[in-house]
Amino acid sequence: AQRVTQPEKLLSVFKGAPVELKCNYSYSGSPELFWYVQYSRQRLQLLLRHISRESIKGFTADLNKGETSFHLKKPFAQEEDSAMYYCAFYNNAGNMLTFGGGTRLMVKP
Amino acid sequence: EAGVTQSPTHLIKTRGQQATLRCSPISGHTSVYWYQQALGLGLQFLLWYDEGEERNRGNFPPRFSGRQFPNYSSELNVNALELEDSALYLCASSRTGQTNTEAFFGQGTRLTVV
Repeated sequence: AQRVTQPEKLLSVFKGAPVELKCNYSYSGSPELFWYVQYSRQRLQLLLRHISRESIKGFTADLNKGETSFHLKKPFAQEEDSAMYYCAFYNNAGNMLTFGGGTRLMVKP
Repeated sequence: EAGVTQSPTHLIKTRGQQATLRCSPISGHTSVYWYQQALGLGLQFLLWYDEGEERNRGNFPPRFSGRQFPNYSSELNVNALELEDSALYLCASSRTGQTNTEAFFGQGTRLTVV
């Protein structure tokens, strides 16, 4: 079954600490992976996609096909990073954007 | 540019009734996706419409249905409402039905079934 797993529902860190939000996927093909973010009282929006290999707001994510992971990382967390983060992927067959359960990141001052 | 708009913002229905949720995509976007965000369950894919046709549906019963109009706006209909249908329903649109196209989300419709 095609699935995206985010094992942590809540991640709490102090400002300036490193952050890693975990994402594992289960898909036999070549997935196209994304991270979406939802800040408080804002709509869900794209943060970054793996093929762009970009860094957005200091966040990066590397696709590890061997471990079927796409963890989101940031070396120094900021309070404004507090939000709900969703890992997602398109399955090539159905063009269905499948989301993980989400991880709430809380960055404490 | 206006974003994806959904109406109504909140909807309260009683069990057994029907609910209709509406979504207007970003201008120029032909694909519309519907997701259910129930408490503690993350985002569950419901339906995908592109160019007026239903292209894919998630693992939901047939009482969840919808359509896409010629102007690419979309309706989600839920018949014979059950208490567990209470959730936030999100609509997203994208430029085409191709993969790796960013999906833009609306604010959602909060459906409460009592």
